[in-house]
Amino acid sequence: KQEVTQIPAALSVPEGENLVLNCSFTDSAIYNLQWFRQDPGKGLTSLLLIQSSQREQTSGRLNASLDKSSGRSTLYIAASQPGDSATYLCAVRRVNTDKLIFGTGTRLQVFP
Amino acid sequence: GAVVSQHPSRVICKSGTSVKIECRSLDFQATTMFWYRQFPKQSLMLMATSNEGSKATYEQGVEKDKFLINHASLTLSTLTVTSAHPEDSSFYICSARAGTSGGRQYFGPGTRLTVT
Repeated sequence: KQEVTQIPAALSVPEGENLVLNCSFTDSAIYNLQWFRQDPGKGLTSLLLIQSSQREQTSGRLNASLDKSSGRSTLYIAASQPGDSATYLCAVRRVNTDKLIFGTGTRLQVFP
Repeated sequence: GAVVSQHPSRVICKSGTSVKIECRSLDFQATTMFWYRQFPKQSLMLMATSNEGSKATYEQGVEKDKFLINHASLTLSTLTVTSAHPEDSSFYICSARAGTSGGRQYFGPGTRLTVT
């Protein structure tokens, strides 16, 4: 059974800091891994999607890496801003299945 | 990017009544739609997967007679919570995927259900 864990569960930092959010999964037989952002009471916004054959993806100040063999992904946020405050979720999709298995999330607060 | 809408965004209903939530793909045809629920400060849990024109596939522990899913067209799926109870109060989120199995899922904004 695939289990996805995110560390830390919560993070509070001053703006300007560079951040690393961690995601680990127990079964390396994945199709892809996705990072999402969720604002309170809202749906999910897809940030980055990494296919199993890729090692990283970048979008603006965000960079996500994937190490499938060790069952880990990291989301790097450069020069954090208060607008980055949200919950960040990673989700893995196993091979031969449609299902996304979500992590436990990291609640990020960036204060001015 | 692709847009998925949900209606209503919030609903309050009395215990014992039924409530229907709609999920629409606005600018693409969704061959597959997914329904998730999310409890406060917890992650998303997949409830069921539906393919257009077929019966939904429910996850273990999800009562199919309580959570009725209909995916009658390529742009619309509905989730009906029947005989709602306070413990059904939750945040329900749908997602939609176009075409191939490798396609990305696009998520709706969610529906907050409160059963009194």
